[in-house]
Amino acid sequence: AQTVTQSQPEMSVQEAETVTLSCTYDTSESDYYLFWYKQPPSRQMILVIRQEAYKQQNATENRFSVNFQKAAKSFSLKISDSQLGDAAMYFCAYSEGYGNKLVFGAGTILRVKS
Amino acid sequence: DGGITQSPKYLFRKEGQNVTLSCEQNLNHDAMYWYRQDPGQGLRLIYYSQIVNDFQKGDIAEGYSVSREKKESFPLTVTSAQKNPTAFYLCASKTAGRSNQPQHFGDGTRLSIL
Repeated sequence: AQTVTQSQPEMSVQEAETVTLSCTYDTSESDYYLFWYKQPPSRQMILVIRQEAYKQQNATENRFSVNFQKAAKSFSLKISDSQLGDAAMYFCAYSEGYGNKLVFGAGTILRVKS
Repeated sequence: DGGITQSPKYLFRKEGQNVTLSCEQNLNHDAMYWYRQDPGQGLRLIYYSQIVNDFQKGDIAEGYSVSREKKESFPLTVTSAQKNPTAFYLCASKTAGRSNQPQHFGDGTRLSIL
């Protein structure tokens, strides 16, 4: 079974600085998709960024970018110019196969200090 | 506006009682999913459905049941067989068969035992 591991239960960053959240996954598939979701205190799940495994180029969405290392099965999220609104739980998720089910990591709580 | 509506927001279950959580979407999505989230943990898949009148068990289906009689609706019943139902339940939907498309989530239902 596929697994997703987020090794950092909590991270802190100063406002305007950069932080990187780690994620590793385990799969024998070659075609799959990876996502980062954000869950603020409201408990809503908000898509941050996505990456297709067949694409070598790392995805970027404004201040959010990923470092996708397929051979190492690593998918880290970098948040630049951190803002107070970035404070949330961040989940890494993997999807493949029939049903496109998502397998989630345990999450990383990100705290942003002013 | 298109979206996913979960109701109720809060639900209380008495011992031996079955309760049903509602999930309705107007995004014209074929695929729908139910996840359970326990405090400080990631989401775990309960059931999913790719098409009307068809659904599959996820990783933690025991004690739960679902139906998919309409494309827009995917209700989840928490039966008395589920001995530890206290959790946050999230419903999601997406376009079927397109793995790079993200799942869209509702705002969740918090279920507690009386």
